[in-house]
Amino acid sequence: AAGVIQSPRHLIKEKRETATLKCYPIPRHDTVYWYQQGPGQDPQFLISFYEKMQSDKGSIPDRFSAQQFSDYHSELNMSSLELGDSALYFCASSPNKETQYFGPGTRLLVL
Amino acid sequence: GENVEQHPSTLSVQEGDSAVIKCTYSDSASNYFPWYKQELGKRPQLIIDIRSNVGEKKDQRIAVTLNKTAKHFSLHITETQPEDSAVYFCAARFAGGTSYGKLTFGQGTILTVHP
Repeated sequence: AAGVIQSPRHLIKEKRETATLKCYPIPRHDTVYWYQQGPGQDPQFLISFYEKMQSDKGSIPDRFSAQQFSDYHSELNMSSLELGDSALYFCASSPNKETQYFGPGTRLLVL
Repeated sequence: GENVEQHPSTLSVQEGDSAVIKCTYSDSASNYFPWYKQELGKRPQLIIDIRSNVGEKKDQRIAVTLNKTAKHFSLHITETQPEDSAVYFCAARFAGGTSYGKLTFGQGTILTVHP
């Protein structure tokens, strides 16, 4: 069965640079969620999209923005990167705004 | 906002024993409670979930119970095996207002099963 796809899987950036993370949901899933997970932490909700519209917003810094495109893929844009942004970033998709299936994650390291 | 507390933070058992992890949630409007298993550096994998209209659900060696009145739910793993060793997260889905199902996670439990 098709799973959530995320790219890139690993990313190294310098402070103050920008990064773009991509997420391709499972086909026919209409809701996409982004989570940030620091080392030894639980996943923290950032933002979600339903049918290409932003639906919920969590603890997402103003430096971050996201959108969902007509093909349902989503991108998380991160600017003015800080050391504290180093984390695993997961995208999850859902067919019913309930059951969420996670992608493999993007490991971001900010130097 | 929703808050989920998870205990214990670490749990060590012998192979074949049972393991129980407990979570409490704060918002009575929450109506969906999944459990995820996460191995180091990997994605959270959904292992079982329960909805607020159900008190118990079982899938082979894994079961989840929900007490809506007390606002707590538990994961039970029987006949544990070394491959059950991982971090387990409980989560709650807030269903009120205009929420589209964002999950609030517990702090995680590191389960170690000794052969």
